[in-house]
Amino acid sequence: DAGITQSPRHKVTETGTPVTLRCHQTENHRYMYWYRQDPGHGLRLIHYSYGVKDTDKGEVSDGYSVSRSKTEDFLLTLESATSSQTSVYFCAIRGRETSGGISTDTQYFGPGTRLTVL
Amino acid sequence: AQSVSQHNHHVILSEAASLELGCNYSYGGTVNLFWYVQYPGQHLQLLLKYFSGDPLVKGIKGFEAEFIKSKFSFNLRKPSVQWSDTAEYFCAVNAGNNQGGKLIFGQGTELSVKP
Repeated sequence: DAGITQSPRHKVTETGTPVTLRCHQTENHRYMYWYRQDPGHGLRLIHYSYGVKDTDKGEVSDGYSVSRSKTEDFLLTLESATSSQTSVYFCAIRGRETSGGISTDTQYFGPGTRLTVL
Repeated sequence: AQSVSQHNHHVILSEAASLELGCNYSYGGTVNLFWYVQYPGQHLQLLLKYFSGDPLVKGIKGFEAEFIKSKFSFNLRKPSVQWSDTAEYFCAVNAGNNQGGKLIFGQGTELSVKP
């Protein structure tokens, strides 16, 4: 499973409180991603990182911030949680595989964090 | 904006039936294409991917997909489904000029296989 862990796995919080989700990887991948999964929407990219301290926004970044102070950890913060941020959050890394002289990049996903904002 | 469309939201089949799940995307350049599966309560797992070469791609668990460039499609197929194939299936696209390798996902198709 590409050595990805997420913590916490489940969290219930109240509207207006700050929340930080952690993604940890053990294989030194450069690229890391945060997605949210909602019924009828598939997965949507929140933010991604292409190296330590290098991050960029995805399609649903409003209300979220990220930080990456070391290669192995990518943190997602909800500064002031709202009920619309109730979702399942998945972290992913991008791995490169080479076969027959051709390299391909593929994203592999962590186990997810189920967040409920009351 | 790039988008991915999965036509079927919920498919119900009996065991041994054949499966085809549709996926269309809206980008005219070079694309990398993926199918992921999510079993109940689990994370996404890669089923198969297409980058170049033979447009018929074989993946794990007997699944295959065919890339038809002229139709902007990447449909997933399996000749004979099993109860254990019950899951949600996601098509995803990474456009060739996409900085950061971002994936655009379809809405997902929930497959229920009756024993």
